[in-house]
Order: sequence, then C-alpha cells, then structure tokens
Amino acid sequence: ILNVEQSPQSLHVQEGDSTNFTCSFPSSNFYALHWYRWETAKSPEALFVMTLNGDEKKKGRISATLNTKEGYSYLYIKGSQPEDSATYLCAFYNTDKLIFGTGTRLQVFP
Amino acid sequence: DTAVSQTPKYLVTQMGNDKSIKCEQNLGHDTMYWYKQDSKKFLKIMFSYNNKELIINETVPNRFSPKSPDKAHLNLHINSLELGDSAVYFCASSQGGVSETQYFGPGTRLLVL
Repeated sequence: ILNVEQSPQSLHVQEGDSTNFTCSFPSSNFYALHWYRWETAKSPEALFVMTLNGDEKKKGRISATLNTKEGYSYLYIKGSQPEDSATYLCAFYNTDKLIFGTGTRLQVFP
Repeated sequence: DTAVSQTPKYLVTQMGNDKSIKCEQNLGHDTMYWYKQDSKKFLKIMFSYNNKELIINETVPNRFSPKSPDKAHLNLHINSLELGDSAVYFCASSQGGVSETQYFGPGTRLLVL
C-alpha cells in the first residue's frame, strides 16, 4: 500500500507569518508530485506539478521544492494572508493515478 | 463558464434506492475521473476513463457503474445505495499523463438515510 503523508495535520498562524509544510511519498518509481489548494466548500485547485528531483516552483507567495531521492516535498507560504486559509493537498502520481495525502489545514488569523 | 460541472450538488436518498450523478467538462480533455472523499477526508480514485474507455477501476463495489457517453461526460450510477455510500463525490478531468493537472468539479454531497 502506497502512503502519502502530510504534516502537520493542521496549522494556525498569524497574518504575515511565513509557514511551510511537508509531503512524504515513496521514493521509488517516482513519476510526479502534484500540489492542490482546497478551500472549504470549493473544489481542489492545482498549484504545482513537479516531476524532476530538485524542482522548485513558485506562484506568488507560494513555492514548493521536491526531493525525489528521499521522498519529500515542501510547500512554503511567505507572509501568510487570511485568504491563504485552506487545506493544502499533495498527490503522488503512481503508475496511472494520483494518490492523495490527507492534507494540511492552514488557518491564518488576521 | 464552469470547466467541470456536476449535478446534483446535493443528493439525499433512502437506502436501497438507485441514483445517478452527472459530470460534464468543457475543457476538451481526454481523461475523466471519479473520486470519493471518505469520512477521513481522503480523496480516493474510483474510476478513470480515457476517450470513453475505462482505464482505472479501483476496488469499488460493482453497485457503482460509471458511464461515458462521450469524452466530455462521465456519469456515475449507484445501485442499491447503502449507508456507507454517504460521502462527497468529485469528478475531475485532465489531458491524462503524469504531469497534467486535474481539474475538479464542485462535488456532489450524497447522504443515504
């Protein structure tokens, strides 16, 4: 059974704080890692797709890194804002499908 | 214009009934998916279709039957609904392939009483 684990499960930060969380995945047979942002009562929205070891992706204040050899990816949010409050999901592409982690629920307080 | 749409948004029904959820995408994608968000909030793949052909069928009870009349539509029919089928069901689409983003619909919240 392939496990995709995310930590922490939840995070509460003050507006302006920078934060990061981790996605761990199997390091063998790596194809791709996807990051999604999921706001309450909405559908998951893609942030990044990462395929190469050492990949770094950035979108505004959000960035992600990838280490396929050790099986982890970090997502960073610089200067968190209340609108960043959401669940951040990573998904490991295994052969022919995405296997999702349970997500990190981020709450940013003004 | 909604990229991936699902109907209905909410579905409340009695145990034993048969129900369908419809999904449509206007992105021109070849691949469509059904996911179930379980009680622990995991998103798990149920089915995937590529150009109307079934390519992924996870260990889902055969009471669940997907149907793809064309590559823009993937419907999910559920027979003899059980209490444990209560969940949120998400449809998604993509161009297929490891590095292609999946675009999700708004979800259908199913409650079986």
